[in-house]
Parts: sequence; C-alpha cells; structure tokens
Amino acid sequence: GENVEQHPSTLSVQEGDSAVIKCTYSDSASNYFPWYKQELGKRPQLIIDIRSNVGEKKDQRIAVTLNKTAKHFSLHITETQPEDSAVYFCAAIQSGSARQLTFGSGTQLTVLP
Amino acid sequence: DGGITQSPKYLFRKEGQNVTLSCEQNLNHDAMYWYRQDPGQGLRLIYYSQIVNDFQKGDIAEGYSVSREKKESFPLTVTSAQKNPTAFYLCASSISDSPQRAQYFGPGTRLLVL
Repeated sequence: GENVEQHPSTLSVQEGDSAVIKCTYSDSASNYFPWYKQELGKRPQLIIDIRSNVGEKKDQRIAVTLNKTAKHFSLHITETQPEDSAVYFCAAIQSGSARQLTFGSGTQLTVLP
Repeated sequence: DGGITQSPKYLFRKEGQNVTLSCEQNLNHDAMYWYRQDPGQGLRLIYYSQIVNDFQKGDIAEGYSVSREKKESFPLTVTSAQKNPTAFYLCASSISDSPQRAQYFGPGTRLLVL
C-alpha cells in the first residue's frame, strides 16, 4: 500500500517568514494530494490540493508543488501569521478502487510573533 | 464540511461497555470514513464505506464495528474488545467516483474511559 512520510514534525518560524513542509509518497500511481490544517481540538480542514497533472498550485499565501518523478510534494506558506499556527497533514490517494487517503504524520507549525 | 455532524462531542465509556458514535452527512456523498487520532499523532483509518450496505476494514479495525444502512449515516461502535479506546474519533465523507476526491471531516468525538 501507499506510505506517506512528512517532514519536519515540528517547525517554528518568525511571523512574516515562509514555512515549507515536505512529503514523500511511495505509490507512483497516486494522483491526488490534499493538505489539511488542524487547529487544536478541531477537525482537519482542507486548505489546498493538487492533482498529478499539475506541477504547482497557488491560493493566496499558500502554494503546493508536486514532483512526480521524485514522488514528493511540498506545502509553502508565505508571509506567515500567528493564525497559521496549527498541525498540517499531507495525504495521498491510493490507486485502485478503494481510493483511501493515506495521511502523513503531521507537522506542528508555530508562528512566533 | 459543515454538512457532516458527529455526536456526542464527548463520550465516556465504562469497562466492558460498548459505545456507539454517530456520524451523519447531508452532502450526498457516497463514501464515508472513520479515523482515530491519538494525541500528537496522525490519522489512522478504522473503517470505510464506499456505498450503502458495504464497508471495508481499514488499518486498525480490531475492536470496532460499523454499519451503513443509509447513505447519510455511518455509525461506529467501539466494542469492549478495544482495550485502549481513548482517542479523538473523526468521521469524514467524500464523493467516490469523481476527480474531486477530497475528504471533509466532521467535528469529532472525544472518547474517554472511566
């Protein structure tokens, strides 16, 4: 099955700086990669996603890049703000009819004022 | 994700007791999922269902059971066989056969053992 590794597990940045979280996946047939943000005690919220026919996608201060050859994808947050502090999860969808998402282990992002 | 509800928000289980967590969605999504999240950890798949009256085991199904009698509902029962049930339980749903495969989560149920 699919295996998704996420790094780093914790990340602290100064307000206004950029943050980058990286994920690698094992199944070359995976073709959908969402990112979720989870605030403490709350549900994960989908913040951006990318499909394998696209190399990069941006939504205001958030961008995701995908390198299919290397089987890795990254989340980029620019001009970070304290409200960006949360746990971020990457995920990849398995090939086959089951279509289960496999999640990374999460990155705790702390934006320091 | 506002169309997915879970109840209760907090649930207490006594030793040897079975408890059922509710998950309802009005998004007309075909697929529904149950995840378990332990403190400081990621999401682990317990069960999922792609269609009514059908469901499949995920990675950690032991000690849990589900049913899918209606498209809108996917209740999870934590049985007495689950020896370490304390966790945050998240239900999710998605459109199965569509390029839009994002999963949308409910607010979660926090289960505690007395």
